[in-house]
Amino acid sequence: GNSVTQMEGPVTLSEEAFLTINCTYTATGYPSLFWYVQYPGEGLQLLLKATKADDKGSNKGFEATYRKETTSFHLEKGSVQVSDSAVYFCALETGGGADGLTFGKGTHLIIQP
Amino acid sequence: SQTIHQWPATLVQPVGSPLSLECTVEGTSNPNLYWYRQAAGRGLQLLFYSVGIGQISSEVPQNLSASRPQDRQFILSSKKLLLSDSGFYLCAWSPATRVNEQFFGPGTRLTVL
Repeated sequence: GNSVTQMEGPVTLSEEAFLTINCTYTATGYPSLFWYVQYPGEGLQLLLKATKADDKGSNKGFEATYRKETTSFHLEKGSVQVSDSAVYFCALETGGGADGLTFGKGTHLIIQP
Repeated sequence: SQTIHQWPATLVQPVGSPLSLECTVEGTSNPNLYWYRQAAGRGLQLLFYSVGIGQISSEVPQNLSASRPQDRQFILSSKKLLLSDSGFYLCAWSPATRVNEQFFGPGTRLTVL
């Protein structure tokens, strides 16, 4: 079956630090990959996505590259801000998507001023 | 534009009581609809998805059920809540023609005592 593994949190960084949140996956076929963000007290928002190998998704200074050879989709940002503090979920979808997403457990990111 | 609503936002219920959570979508027709549960330390888990009125697929056996009485209405129910039903419940929708992109509601925090 499908599964997503992401690094355990919380991850605590200082403002302007470089961020990497690791995500690896196991899936049948060729999945689409996503990063979702959940700010405190809110629902999930799509942050970025990639639908095929070597695609790079980017949004709000965050980037992630679909690496088929390493089955990874690591999230990166060059300089984080306090407002980036949130829980980040890596997810995948296969088979046309009508049967939902498979999510990782989430990584809580805390940015200190 | 499309919007998704969930209510109530928070709910505290005793063990053994019934449950009804409602989700509605505006601004789109024939969406795919999803219920997820986010439990502490366990990430997001897909509970149910629906591709049309009266069509419900269950991903995880449990004491919860879902119904879709109207095109843009999705209801999560239980006849008797368990302590383990506590969690954060998220409704999501995706366009029928672009199923690999999902949009999430604000969520309902359920505490079973």
